[in-house]
Amino acid sequence: DTGVSQDPRHKITKRGQNVTFRCDPISEHNRLYWYRQTLGQGPEFLTYFQNEAQLEKSRLLSDRFSAERPKGSFSTLEIQRTEQGDSAMYLCASTSSKGGYEQFFGPGTRLTVL
Amino acid sequence: AQSVTQPDIHITVSEGASLELRCNYSYGATPYLFWYVQSPGQGLQLLLKYFSGDTLVQGIKGFEAEFKRSQSSFNLRKPSVHWSDAAEYFCAVGASNAGNMLTFGGGTRLMVKP
Repeated sequence: DTGVSQDPRHKITKRGQNVTFRCDPISEHNRLYWYRQTLGQGPEFLTYFQNEAQLEKSRLLSDRFSAERPKGSFSTLEIQRTEQGDSAMYLCASTSSKGGYEQFFGPGTRLTVL
Repeated sequence: AQSVTQPDIHITVSEGASLELRCNYSYGATPYLFWYVQSPGQGLQLLLKYFSGDTLVQGIKGFEAEFKRSQSSFNLRKPSVHWSDAAEYFCAVGASNAGNMLTFGGGTRLMVKP
């Protein structure tokens, strides 16, 4: 069990560029979550998958954001036409629907939009 | 919709002193409750969880929390704080009827004086 991994750990981009983040959950976990955390705040839910199905999306997830989990394993989060307000830490978590429901978090991807 | 309030943004305690971090939640059904700790620039580590049963739960690193339904609280305690406990602490409630996405409080930053 290697834990949840995220790549890259840091991303600096210019406003208007597209970025993509990857999350690899714990291998036996069928649920995967994305959260966003801005400085000095708690994480906020963005979206979650059960296997490959995206079951819930927050109103925070504007149409510039898209998430996929094509084979029910790793997931990607893409932000198109980035804005300075997108600067945040993007956290991924996973859990098993058959387990204790505790979510295990990855180290996060820190996005800075210049 | 669920919500979590952590009334104390910052707390400073002396090493060896006892600690209590407050958490109040709002949720219509039986809540799943969690405490996570986050060190600077890192992801979230689960300290403890409450789903049902005994209202006093033990966690890692010597932490415990007590669920009080009548007060809608889930306060975190530690009898003797160590310098390494300095970090940000987040209380969260899970939506047991909807994929268990977590709603976090704003966090409490703990500083430890030598």
